[in-house]
Parts: sequence; structure tokens; C-alpha cells
Amino acid sequence: DAGITQSPRYKITETGRQVTLMCHQTWSHSYMFWYRQDLGHGLRLIYYSAAADITDKGEVPDGYVVSRSKTENFPLTLESATRSQTSVYFCASSPPRAGKETQYFGPGTRLLVL
Amino acid sequence: GDSVTQMEGPVTLSEEAFLTINCTYTATGYPSLFWYVQYPGEGLQLLLKATKADDKGSNKGFEATYRKETTSFHLEKGSVQVSDSAVYFCALSDLNTGGFKTIFGAGTRLFVKA
Repeated sequence: DAGITQSPRYKITETGRQVTLMCHQTWSHSYMFWYRQDLGHGLRLIYYSAAADITDKGEVPDGYVVSRSKTENFPLTLESATRSQTSVYFCASSPPRAGKETQYFGPGTRLLVL
Repeated sequence: GDSVTQMEGPVTLSEEAFLTINCTYTATGYPSLFWYVQYPGEGLQLLLKATKADDKGSNKGFEATYRKETTSFHLEKGSVQVSDSAVYFCALSDLNTGGFKTIFGAGTRLFVKA
């Protein structure tokens, strides 16, 4: 009954370091998403994936890399972290057929880049 | 492109007051509309949704009606409780993009005082 989990929940890193945020879902949902949440901007889509090995850019993909080798995992990597990437990151997933537009969110990862 | 505009917060109400949070949208196609709620320290949860014009979504005493003529999806609740304090996000999902690119509003924070 775990649903969708994210790790770590909190992360402090330094400018220039590589950081990977993990997302894992137990529902076998086809679609998965990464958002960042910043004050005044709501949620902005970084990357999404329609299935294993299929990923595509969202609204704000620069500085991020994703992969999806298994349906249940969708890690997000910041290749060289910048202060502007300080944010709260949410992973989400949706089922493949009816109701696919409804998204189920993880608890979020708070990232601080110093 | 598609967009969602919702009223700025914070909204502060006393317990048992009537709640309205305004939401309007622009879309080229026929989107599904959603309200998500985010409690402190948590991810977003789907509150209600409507998939076509004149549909009414409802859940936990909250209601919203899909008004195509006014491109609106206002959230209402007749009597709020302290436990309703949260951030509320209006969102749309356009089936023309496969239904899985969801556009979120900036969010409206609600405080309910006892």
C-alpha cells in the first residue's frame, strides 16, 4: 500500500554537485512526472514519461536529466546543481487508461542548493 | 497555450463560513478540470474533477461546476472547518495532448480560524 514514494525527503547540496532524486511507485502506472514547486509559480512540469524508456521534456527541463529503465522508478538528476534549482520537487504518476489525466503525487523532496 | 488563473490568497475565513475560490482557464481543446489540495508538508491530492461542460465535481463537501460559457471552475464549500486549511490548486488536462500534460494554477492558500 506504499503508493508513490520519494527519497530523500530533504537534501542540502552545494553548487556544482550532482544530485539524484528518487521516485518509486507501486501501482504500475504508465505515466510518471516530475514537477518543481516554487512560490508564485505553482507547479511546473520538468519531465514526464509515458512508459519505460519513453521520456519527454516539460516546461522547465534545462539542467535536469531523467531516465526510466523500469516502470516503477523515475529518477531525476541535477547534473550540476545551481542555486536556482532550490525548490520542492514532486513526483507524480497516472494510470494508463480511464482516468489517466488524474495524477497521484508523492510527498515531495525539499532541495536546498547552497 | 493553455493556462489556469486562480484567485490570489491567502484567504482567511472563520469556521463555518462559506468558501469560494475562483478559477478560470483558457484552452484550445476540451479539457478536463481539477481541484487538487495540498496539506502542509504533503504532496497534492485530487479533491474533485469534471470532464465535460456542466459536470459538477464534488467531494468532502466541496463542489465545482465546469462552466464552458464562462471558462470557469470555481471551488465552493458551504461551511469550512479548521481542517480545510491548505493550499488549493486548480488545474486542467487537455486530451489533445494525450491527457497527461496537466497545467496547474499558482495555488490559493486557505486559512480557517476556529
